[in-house]
Amino acid sequence: QSVLSQPPSVSGAPGQRVTISCTGTSSNIGANYDVHWYQQLPGTAPKLVIYGINKRPSGVPDRFSGSKSATTVSLAITGLQTEDEADYYCQSYDSSLSGYVFGTGTKVSVL
Amino acid sequence: EVQLVESGGGLVQPGGSLRISCSASGFTFDEIAMSWVRQAPGKGLEWVSGISWNGARVDYGDSAKGRFTMSRDNAKNSVYLQMNYLRVEDTAFYFCAKDVGPTTAGHNWFESWGQGTLVTVSS
Repeated sequence: QSVLSQPPSVSGAPGQRVTISCTGTSSNIGANYDVHWYQQLPGTAPKLVIYGINKRPSGVPDRFSGSKSATTVSLAITGLQTEDEADYYCQSYDSSLSGYVFGTGTKVSVL
Repeated sequence: EVQLVESGGGLVQPGGSLRISCSASGFTFDEIAMSWVRQAPGKGLEWVSGISWNGARVDYGDSAKGRFTMSRDNAKNSVYLQMNYLRVEDTAFYFCAKDVGPTTAGHNWFESWGQGTLVTVSS
């Protein structure tokens, strides 16, 4: 029952740039609620990589960046590395549901 | 260092009940909202419930309303999720997550997560 839509998968060769989109509606992203991104490596808990659309927590490489246009937010990974292979989820808040919502998740594969 | 340790997961029959716990350390617990987020095997993340710093406000996702109750004990630095009328589709890893503010709010995110506890609902 994810409210935010993401592509199921994206892939790229080492060193390339990939982007993941997160599309919402007027009650979440379109209502200007912030969007945040999490990386989940296999068998581990999610880890925050971007908060507030485009801010990186301490320790997250600057290869990770975020942007927003209307009701779509994007996560970009430049200079793709094998350790970036993981599932990525966007997260926001939805005023009609009065709670947090996650994206459907995107699997990033490094070819 | 922030640490969140979940416990209490296990196997329960459909229609049964279970209470899971999360013990927190490394931050001022009684100033921060907490949430439960679940992930069914091979599936995505789903926010289940969030509780304010003092427990006065609790919000639930649609799948939890009427069946789950989230609570906290600030003296024990712990949050709990009481799950009743469990269904097979409640089978998931349940993660405890630390909010960045005192209440569930529009611009907040989860800055720390526990490793999760597995709840399996099966006959």
